[in-house]
Amino acid sequence: GAVVSQHPSWVICKSGTSVKIECRSLDFQATTMFWYRQFPKQSLMLMATSNEGSKATYEQGVEKDKFLINHASLTLSTLTVTSAHPEDSSFYICSAPYSGRYEQYFGPGTRLTVT
Amino acid sequence: AQSVTQLDSQVPVFEEAPVELRCNYSSSVSVYLFWYVQYPNQGLQLLLKYLSGSTLVKGINGFEAEFNKSQTSFHLRKPSVHISDTAEYFCAVTAGAGTSGSRLTFGEGTQLTVNP
Repeated sequence: GAVVSQHPSWVICKSGTSVKIECRSLDFQATTMFWYRQFPKQSLMLMATSNEGSKATYEQGVEKDKFLINHASLTLSTLTVTSAHPEDSSFYICSAPYSGRYEQYFGPGTRLTVT
Repeated sequence: AQSVTQLDSQVPVFEEAPVELRCNYSSSVSVYLFWYVQYPNQGLQLLLKYLSGSTLVKGINGFEAEFNKSQTSFHLRKPSVHISDTAEYFCAVTAGAGTSGSRLTFGEGTQLTVNP
């Protein structure tokens, strides 16, 4: 149980285009999901907290107009990188806490490369 | 707020040797502690967690960790490692006291490399 999926697993896009990444909780409902960014050989950096039915909460320094988050249902959150640039290239990971538990369950990640 | 320090960025060991990955935390409130493992180009997998009770917790793949409140540590150990244990390991903390679903604070990670 407590499986989180992400789609796509990798994506290459051209500079200036937008890319949408989906995060789904497959066997449980998640009112909250978290979006992280990870650079090579580095730890996870929390970008934002996605809340079902309300606006996302962004961490300091994260551009909310560039990284659009929509938590459309209890099992789906999406991250859209708008007007992507090469510096947005990174590994994006989502996670979701299982109701009543304190640990989080992570998706497999999405590798974004902007050319 | 909480913070986590993983004292070693890289730990090379030989196969079948014991290993300890060190983690210290700082918090003004009670915490819950976790160890996650990340294989290349994958998400994170929970190894074990400490919420309350016995300070020695056992996890998957033969790993265990000991919570030491006085030293604010949560070191991860395995008595005999395998090549397949080569991965990045993250220590994480969240505020306790009934706040399920709260954000995690991660350490910088420790790359464990098991050599034949």
